[in-house]
Amino acid sequence: TQLLEQSPQFLSIQEGENLTVYCNSSSVFSSLQWYRQEPGEGPVLLVTVVTGGEVKKLKRLTFQFGDARKDSSLHITAAQPGDTGLYLCAGVMASGTYKYIFGTGTRLKVLA
Amino acid sequence: EPEVTQTPSHQVTQMGQEVILRCVPISNHLYFYWYRQILGQKVEFLVSFYNNEISEKSEIFDDQFSVERPDGSNFTLKIRSTKLEDSAMYFCASGTSGRAGRTDTQYFGPGTRLTVL
Repeated sequence: TQLLEQSPQFLSIQEGENLTVYCNSSSVFSSLQWYRQEPGEGPVLLVTVVTGGEVKKLKRLTFQFGDARKDSSLHITAAQPGDTGLYLCAGVMASGTYKYIFGTGTRLKVLA
Repeated sequence: EPEVTQTPSHQVTQMGQEVILRCVPISNHLYFYWYRQILGQKVEFLVSFYNNEISEKSEIFDDQFSVERPDGSNFTLKIRSTKLEDSAMYFCASGTSGRAGRTDTQYFGPGTRLTVL
């Protein structure tokens, strides 16, 4: 089964705290994307990682692609209420397929 | 910034009716996709389209579904005879590359909410 498991599923934290969201699979991905989705809207791209071990930063968000390209993490520093939302990882498998496999999602709530 | 657009934003239809969901991908993109998301569930791949033909489809994409690029800008998803379980958000996406090993970023539209009664 082609699965991207995200953990945790739900996360409620106080403003200013740090957090990490994980995206894991037993399959190898040629690239992995992180999206944020608001209710009733489409996923909005945050970042794409393609190289094993790659680290990308987007303001207070740090994304890492695992060395074996099977997993990824999203770390948020000093979370703010505006970070509240559903975070999705999605990957393209390294087997020639073009489709995205989406993760199960992490719903983050940051309390003021 | 260029974006993927979809119409309508919400479509209500009776079971058994045909619906056509429309998408305008980003203009220089060559790869087009449809995904769906049933309420509370994860986003699921339906079909990918390149060079005027389907390049890949999922088991969800049965004979009731079809896709078309009728002109240089639109990309449509047709459901021939809708079922209650087709109720979902349908997302169109487009990208510049579909080849594994390259940057396969896909940009998503805002979605069409399909409600089948």
